[in-house]
Amino acid sequence: GAVVSQHPSWVICKSGTSVKIECRSLDFQATTMFWYRQFPKQSLMLMATSNEGSKATYEQGVEKDKFLINHASLTLSTLTVTSAHPEDSSFYICSARVGGFGSFTDTQYFGPGTRLTVL
Amino acid sequence: GNSVTQMEGPVTLSEEAFLTINCTYTATGYPSLFWYVQYPGEGLQLLLKATKADDKGSNKGFEATYRKETTSFHLEKGSVQVSDSAVYFCALSMEYGNKLVFGAGTILRVKS
Repeated sequence: GAVVSQHPSWVICKSGTSVKIECRSLDFQATTMFWYRQFPKQSLMLMATSNEGSKATYEQGVEKDKFLINHASLTLSTLTVTSAHPEDSSFYICSARVGGFGSFTDTQYFGPGTRLTVL
Repeated sequence: GNSVTQMEGPVTLSEEAFLTINCTYTATGYPSLFWYVQYPGEGLQLLLKATKADDKGSNKGFEATYRKETTSFHLEKGSVQVSDSAVYFCALSMEYGNKLVFGAGTILRVKS
């Protein structure tokens, strides 16, 4: 099956620093990847849609200058949390879209997530 | 806006018990509906899906039927196993494969 990896799986950083999280589709190409954020005991909230070779589309309320997304290739998207603060501490999950768009095979495959803790 | 409501957990069952996890949705239009499962330490995996009213999705002994009249997509399994212990997420999408809206997730714990 389609495998999506994330790196790192967890990271601790100091307030004010920037952190980059990688999302890779290991055995398929994904023109579209998604970034989600999950708070403890809460649902996944879509942050942005990342399309290869173009600017990401951010959901309402998500600061695009704080959460920089780069989808440089068909197998890699990165999320950079800039000037991180404790309130940015969360579980960040990516997914990659594969299959014929709009068809029954159109599916998102999820990475295992990255736990970010900002001190 | 579009939203998904799941029953709160955790749900604790004994092995071979019957499982129901309720899921209802609110959507403008006719969404596609999904159940995802997240095992400890792993990413979300698609468990089953349904794209139109009265469709039944099934996989690994789990079933869910798309009920438009009650806007529901309840997950059921006749006999759970310890290995089914995980977090289950109900989700919808107005554009197939795109922009998933998730419920809060329900933790299932199965005891031997």
